[in-house]
Amino acid sequence: AQTVTQSQPEMSVQEAETVTLSCTYDTSESNYYLFWYKQPPSRQMILVIRQEAYKQQNATENRFSVNFQKAAKSFSLKISDSQLGDTAMYFCAFMKQAGTYKYIFGTGTRLKVLA
Amino acid sequence: DVKVTQSSRYLVKRTGEKVFLECVQDMDHENMFWYRQDPGLGLRLIYFSYDVKMKEKGDIPEGYSVSREKKERFSLILESASTNQTSMYLCASSSGGPAGREQFFGPGTRLTVL
Repeated sequence: AQTVTQSQPEMSVQEAETVTLSCTYDTSESNYYLFWYKQPPSRQMILVIRQEAYKQQNATENRFSVNFQKAAKSFSLKISDSQLGDTAMYFCAFMKQAGTYKYIFGTGTRLKVLA
Repeated sequence: DVKVTQSSRYLVKRTGEKVFLECVQDMDHENMFWYRQDPGLGLRLIYFSYDVKMKEKGDIPEGYSVSREKKERFSLILESASTNQTSMYLCASSSGGPAGREQFFGPGTRLTVL
């Protein structure tokens, strides 16, 4: 069975600084997808970034980038130039490539961006 | 834009009541999901559905059932609500095929069972 671990329940960062959120996972699959989702306070969860395991290049979306280490089963999210609007719960998620469309979520990291 | 709506943002029910949580998506998605979100536990899958009238148990189906009579609507039913079902409930949907990797979430229903 797959598991996803987020070891940082809470983090804070000063506005304009850079922060990295950690995620590790365990799987015997060779092909899969990894995601970071953001849940702002009292707002809907949205996709931040995704990574296909077969791609060696790390995904980037504007100020958001990942450090995907397949051998180490690590998938960290880096937020550059942090903004107050980045304050949210961040969830790491895993999905097998084949079979179902089910996710396995981590327990989340609550990020607070300080003015 | 994909829109996923849930019938209530907040709901208060009494122990033993039958509770219906409704979810509607407007993008003709094949897949729909019900999650429960609790602090320190993340999101846990209760049930999911790949098509109309099709359902499969997730990781924590006990005490819940679901119904999907129409493609756009997926209902979560608590047959006899208990206090340990007090939680945030999130609905999500995704399309079939390669595009189905992204899930779109509703705003959530915060259910309190007294």
